[in-house]
Amino acid sequence: DSGVTQTPKHLITATGQRVTLRCSPRSGDLSVYWYQQSLDQGLQFLIQYYNGEERAKGNILERFSAQQFPDLHSELNLSSLELGDSALYFCASSRGGQNTEAFFGQGTRLTVV
Amino acid sequence: GESVGLHLPTLSVQEGDNSIINCAYSNSASDYFIWYKQESGKGPQFIIDIRSNMDKRQGQRVTVLLNKTVKHLSLQIAATQPGDSAVYFCAERFKAAGNKLTFGGGTRVLVKP
Repeated sequence: DSGVTQTPKHLITATGQRVTLRCSPRSGDLSVYWYQQSLDQGLQFLIQYYNGEERAKGNILERFSAQQFPDLHSELNLSSLELGDSALYFCASSRGGQNTEAFFGQGTRLTVV
Repeated sequence: GESVGLHLPTLSVQEGDNSIINCAYSNSASDYFIWYKQESGKGPQFIIDIRSNMDKRQGQRVTVLLNKTVKHLSLQIAATQPGDSAVYFCAERFKAAGNKLTFGGGTRVLVKP
């Protein structure tokens, strides 16, 4: 167990809908990272938050957004969902903002139908 | 972009033998590297990391080698066990790009009894 908790584990929703994925980092970790893993794109970095502020941005679509709350948990919001958004979404956390020793959660499997 | 593609090479190893997993990274300015193990249905699990000022680092049954001249990273697993069967990813961090990790496409390791 990495100590990073993601909910829900599975999510099935229809195209055009909006969903929110939640991540609780390991105790004491200030950074949260979101990744998307699909069969044809591997692990893609989406966005990083450090102590409540956006630190780095990767290949995140405009339909997606995230935030990190004062208690350091993070949410990834995916809107106007398309079939191609079906993937595993992982959250990782690390102590600092340097992306060293980042520990991953178990992921949320999103299926858009 | 940072697409890592669909191809997933497979390494078949006899139980008890040593495994060597190779990774070619893309950015000569990357300063930090991590190896992750991902078992089916689970999130990536941190194995070992190495900074660019080192060329070798050892953990428990694992050794990471870094050759900056040819931008090559390898993970050696000693006395491979059935529980080592998984997909292994290398990741590189380019500090000037906001510390985000870029993942390789992964190598599947199958341990034969």
